[in-house]
Amino acid sequence: GEDVEQSLFLSVREGDSSVINCTYTDSSSTYLYWYKQEPGAGLQLLTYIFSNMDMKQDQRLTVLLNKKDKHLSLRIADTQTGDSAIYFCAEDLWGRGGSQGNLIFGKGTKLSVKP
Amino acid sequence: DSGVTQTPKHLITATGQRVTLRCSPRSGDLSVYWYQQSLDQGLQFLIQYYNGEERAKGNILERFSAQQFPDLHSELNLSSLELGDSALYFCASGQRRTDTQYFGPGTRLTVL
Repeated sequence: GEDVEQSLFLSVREGDSSVINCTYTDSSSTYLYWYKQEPGAGLQLLTYIFSNMDMKQDQRLTVLLNKKDKHLSLRIADTQTGDSAIYFCAEDLWGRGGSQGNLIFGKGTKLSVKP
Repeated sequence: DSGVTQTPKHLITATGQRVTLRCSPRSGDLSVYWYQQSLDQGLQFLIQYYNGEERAKGNILERFSAQQFPDLHSELNLSSLELGDSALYFCASGQRRTDTQYFGPGTRLTVL
């Protein structure tokens, strides 16, 4: 199947770390992505990880990839109220025969940050 | 600002009508992807064009079509519109076999 799964909601306090989890189905996916969508806005690319990596850090963001379990996580350190948004995990389909890299998205995790 | 532009921002129309959504990719990007975001289906890939040619098709209805022009901008045509077509339509651009797709701000289509 092509389901990318995420929990729907996450609530944290300002200053805490947030961890958003995602499971994907295609072990041949080349890249895995995290996008952020603020209310009424488009999708902003946050970060991505290549499938041969275990971890990628980019300022307050840390992506962990467990390829064996097909599990991806996004950790946001020192979460701020401005981080409140919906976070989408996505996998590409480069690994599948005939596909050209279109993305399969999870349903999104709504992160609420309380002051 | 991703560099991808979409027009119009909002579109309100009636059932049975036809609309055209427009997308201009980032400078240098040859690929354009169209996605539909609705409450019940989430974000779904519709179709991809690369340098004017269709490259991949997703869950795109037969009533929908797209094209990419020589200047690389793309249009998504939606016809015989139904209430269920109300959604946010995103365009994304990227380079072939690259690591990222950059999304435009979307066009919100409301079918009454």
